[in-house]
Amino acid sequence: GENVEQHPSTLSVQEGDSAVIKCTYSDSASNYFPWYKQELGKRPQLIIDIRSNVGEKKDQRIAVTLNKTAKHFSLHITETQPEDSAVYFCAAIPSNDYKLSFGAGTTVTVRA
Amino acid sequence: GAVVSQHPSRVICKSGTSVKIECRSLDFQATTMFWYRQFPKKSLMLMATSNEGSKATYEQGVEKDKFLINHASLTLSTLTVTSAHPEDSSFYICSASHGGELFFGEGSRLTVL
Repeated sequence: GENVEQHPSTLSVQEGDSAVIKCTYSDSASNYFPWYKQELGKRPQLIIDIRSNVGEKKDQRIAVTLNKTAKHFSLHITETQPEDSAVYFCAAIPSNDYKLSFGAGTTVTVRA
Repeated sequence: GAVVSQHPSRVICKSGTSVKIECRSLDFQATTMFWYRQFPKKSLMLMATSNEGSKATYEQGVEKDKFLINHASLTLSTLTVTSAHPEDSSFYICSASHGGELFFGEGSRLTVL
């Protein structure tokens, strides 16, 4: 099955700085890569996703890049704000069955 | 976006009892739903895939008789934790896909005393 690795496990940044989270996947057939933000005790919320036919996608302060050859994808948050503090999960899906394999998560803390 | 609702959000039970958690797709039909388990400060682990009108597909290491899944309609899947023990205490989350996106329920925090 798919194996997703995520780094770092924790990330502390100064407000206004950028945060980068990196993930790798093992199954070359994976074609959908969502990123979720989860606040304590709440459900994961999709913040951005990318499909294998695209190399980069941006939505305001959030961007995701995908390198299919190297089988890794990254989340970039620019101009971080305190409300960006949360746990972020990357995920990958080998096909369109939405059977997600999650990364271990990154706890992001934005210092004011 | 589509809405997936879970109930109850919190439940406390005694060891040996069974607990049922419901997952509903409120504004769309879901032939497939997924059940995840999340321990504190850990990632979501897929437990099983719930299929409407047929048996659920369980991930390796998940006890079928322990975690009973029923998907009797296109909008409802239930997870029953049977003969619960303290080690079953966890955050259980369901999800369903709609329009190319996966939507999660609010989650159910189970505490077994």
